[in-house]
Amino acid sequence: DAKTTQPTSMDCAEGRAANLPCNHSTISGNEYVYWYRQIHSQGPQYIIHGLKNNETNEMASLIITEDRKSSTLILPHATLRDTAVYYCIDSINTDKLIFGTGTRLQVFP
Amino acid sequence: DSGVTQTPKHLITATGQRVTLRCSPRSGDLSVYWYQQSLDQGLQFLIQYYNGEERAKGNILERFSAQQFPDLHSELNLSSLELGDSALYFCASALDPYNSPLHFGNGTRLTVT
Repeated sequence: DAKTTQPTSMDCAEGRAANLPCNHSTISGNEYVYWYRQIHSQGPQYIIHGLKNNETNEMASLIITEDRKSSTLILPHATLRDTAVYYCIDSINTDKLIFGTGTRLQVFP
Repeated sequence: DSGVTQTPKHLITATGQRVTLRCSPRSGDLSVYWYQQSLDQGLQFLIQYYNGEERAKGNILERFSAQQFPDLHSELNLSSLELGDSALYFCASALDPYNSPLHFGNGTRLTVT
């Protein structure tokens, strides 16, 4: 079973920032936070990962709270193509990454 | 394009049959992962190989087996197929099994009739 908790669904207007939360209530000190997304029936796509510090790449930003019990994925300017299911995962490495049910993000015009 | 190639894209077969799904990882990636995604189960981890050796196993049925060859491509064999095996099967590859991102192929859609 997935160790993380995410809202089932969220909406976001095109051009606005999408902030997707995740709770990591059982995360341990050496476990990373990973975010992936899956656009309908395509293979999941890696977005970003981090351990303690906030991270940013060309796709998104990852904010991890100081106690590491929650994280937020930020898509700064959402587009229609960002409509997807977003998964957060915490794991010590990439063995047996467990994808939960994720958050279905709908970006609307 | 993730660089991971899966063949075939679609496969339709009958119950009781055996099929082989093939995965070519991204150039340079040593780890290969197999996942199953059905409508009611979500993405389920099946098995992982690293440089030819099995590294991690999930809830893979005994009817299913896999291997990674010296050229690093991988095959997933599904036998004695049942209707419930109908699903999308994804392969992913990564540089190593530690914290390198997984890159997924576009899957093989298996339909068992």
